[in-house]
Amino acid sequence: DGGITQSPKYLFRKEGQNVTLSCEQNLNHDAMYWYRQDPGQGLRLIYYSQIVNDFQKGDIAEGYSVSREKKESFPLTVTSAQKNPTAFYLCASRISGGRDTGELFFGEGSRLTVL
Amino acid sequence: GQQVMQIPQYQHVQEGEDFTTYCNSSTTLSNIQWYKQRPGGHPVFLIQLVKSGEVKKQKRLTFQFGEAKKNSSLHITATQTTDVGTYFCRSSGTYKYIFGTGTRLKVLA
Repeated sequence: DGGITQSPKYLFRKEGQNVTLSCEQNLNHDAMYWYRQDPGQGLRLIYYSQIVNDFQKGDIAEGYSVSREKKESFPLTVTSAQKNPTAFYLCASRISGGRDTGELFFGEGSRLTVL
Repeated sequence: GQQVMQIPQYQHVQEGEDFTTYCNSSTTLSNIQWYKQRPGGHPVFLIQLVKSGEVKKQKRLTFQFGEAKKNSSLHITATQTTDVGTYFCRSSGTYKYIFGTGTRLKVLA
């Protein structure tokens, strides 16, 4: 079955620690995205990548970093510089990174709690 | 910059009542998508509208794109408890794909 796999599903972190959230897709999609969702809120874009070895900052990139070394993988690191990291993180992919639109496919999300 | 607002923010309905959420943009959109997110789940794509004035139906759901391509609506006829969740629109005028603020629907049995 093709899809997007995010891990871990739940993660607890102490203040001052960096954590990396995994996102893997086997849909052969070019574009991948990371969103943050706070309780009762919409989706805010953190980073996106339209093609391997390239990525751009979204609206709330401060305190986060990403890499796109492989087409299938787009890990997100939440650094200690992120002031309020507790949130639900969603990874998504789209078939094309170009201007033509297509639906987003989402992973099941990773819920990060900072203790 | 482009902004996308959804109204209402919350809606509680009795099962069997109709429900409508509206998505309004400050700029003309190339197309618009709708997603549904169940409580505790992830967003799932419902539909994409491209043409001015376009209307599409999926069983009890009716989606409409405004003539000026600046607004869109999702209407659910005779809601069921399975309709519970948050409905998001997503504008596709830029690479960054702005999501609307979402409408949270609760259906009372």
